[in-house]
Amino acid sequence: GQQVMQIPQYQHVQEGEDFTTYCNSSTTLSNIQWYKQRPGGHPVFLIQLVKSGEVKKQKRLTFQFGEAKKNSSLHITATQTTDVGTYFCPYNQGGKLIFGQGTELSVKP
Amino acid sequence: ETGVTQTPRHLVMGMTNKKSLKCEQHLGHNAMYWYKQSAKKPLELMFVYSLEERVENNSVPSRFSPECPNSSHLFLHLHTLQPEDSALYLCASSQEPNEQFFGPGTRLTVL
Repeated sequence: GQQVMQIPQYQHVQEGEDFTTYCNSSTTLSNIQWYKQRPGGHPVFLIQLVKSGEVKKQKRLTFQFGEAKKNSSLHITATQTTDVGTYFCPYNQGGKLIFGQGTELSVKP
Repeated sequence: ETGVTQTPRHLVMGMTNKKSLKCEQHLGHNAMYWYKQSAKKPLELMFVYSLEERVENNSVPSRFSPECPNSSHLFLHLHTLQPEDSALYLCASSQEPNEQFFGPGTRLTVL
């Protein structure tokens, strides 16, 4: 069956450093969404990628969808303490969102 | 605020109690979802309602019983729960097939 692996599971960075999390699928994805969940909070939608090779930016966040639509990445430039949280890249399977473990980001001030 | 509210925010119940979780969405969406989030585990999809009809039931034990009386409201009725059912229960809604909007969750503790 389809599987999407997200790496790394945990990432600790110093404030100001960059951060990247990757999602890799065994099969082609129709689209991929990214969510962020702050500690003690709930998942919040960040973005959806649909097109092959798509790149979207939101301030310091850059989202990419691979040419083969089998992988995606989220890159944060110059992390801040407000970036702390878990980032998820659930994929759509028959109208359902399948969530993985996510990448937990901690930022040391 | 995401337009999805959940009550109560915290709930402590004994294994013999019956309680209900409530979710309400003010976004005009046509689908609603229940998820379970346990510590250090991925979100687990429990139930999906699309246009008020249940379209997904992910092998959830019968001690969890969902109800969707209309497109804006979703309930999760709980009875005879086990301590391992303690978790954060999240409700979400969407205008299919777009992104989901989550509520703040109900933190459930089963004693």
